[in-house]
Amino acid sequence: AQSVTQLDSHVSVSEGTPVLLRCNYSSSYSPSLFWYVQHPNKGLQLLLKYTSAATLVKGINGFEAEFKKSETSFHLTKPSAHMSDAAEYFCVVSDLQLTGGGNKLTFGTGTQLKVEL
Amino acid sequence: NAGVTQTPKFRILKIGQSMTLQCAQDMNHNYMYWYRQDPGMGLKLIYYSVGAGITDKGEVPNGYNVSRSTTEDFPLRLELAAPSQTSVYFCASSQTLRGQLNTEAFFGQGTRLTVV
Repeated sequence: AQSVTQLDSHVSVSEGTPVLLRCNYSSSYSPSLFWYVQHPNKGLQLLLKYTSAATLVKGINGFEAEFKKSETSFHLTKPSAHMSDAAEYFCVVSDLQLTGGGNKLTFGTGTQLKVEL
Repeated sequence: NAGVTQTPKFRILKIGQSMTLQCAQDMNHNYMYWYRQDPGMGLKLIYYSVGAGITDKGEVPNGYNVSRSTTEDFPLRLELAAPSQTSVYFCASSQTLRGQLNTEAFFGQGTRLTVV
């Protein structure tokens, strides 16, 4: 069965410093992996996705993530945090198929990112 | 460019009442989903639909019902509301081909439901 572990429920950084949000996954297949961001009282927005093309994936707003199969990790990074990055971030794995052929998304429990002046 | 639209945004229900959460998408996506989000728990799949007339249970379907009469609409029905159904509900859609694992899901802004 697929699963996702986000290692930190809360991360706090100063504006202008690097961001690291950690994610480990478990999958029986070659997974697709996603990072979604949720700003307060908003829906989820896709930041980036890994689909087995390149292990280093670039997303929106300067975020990137590296897929490391040997470590079963897909950590999210950003070189310099901005106040507008404060939000909740979800790591998501997709490998098992739903009835009808669709992909099942399994969500991590989320990491709340706080950015301080 | 509306995307996925959910109504209402907020609702308070009394125990035993029923209601329907509305969801509509204008992207002509085949798949639609309902998730619930509880604090510290991530999102859990309630029901999903492959297309008009076809629905199936997700991880946590008890206490809910769905229907999909059109491509655009996927309402979620709560019968006999219970405090355990207090949550934030998200509707999502995707255009997914059979066997395709990497499709992005587009989410609505959510409905915050409180059952008292």
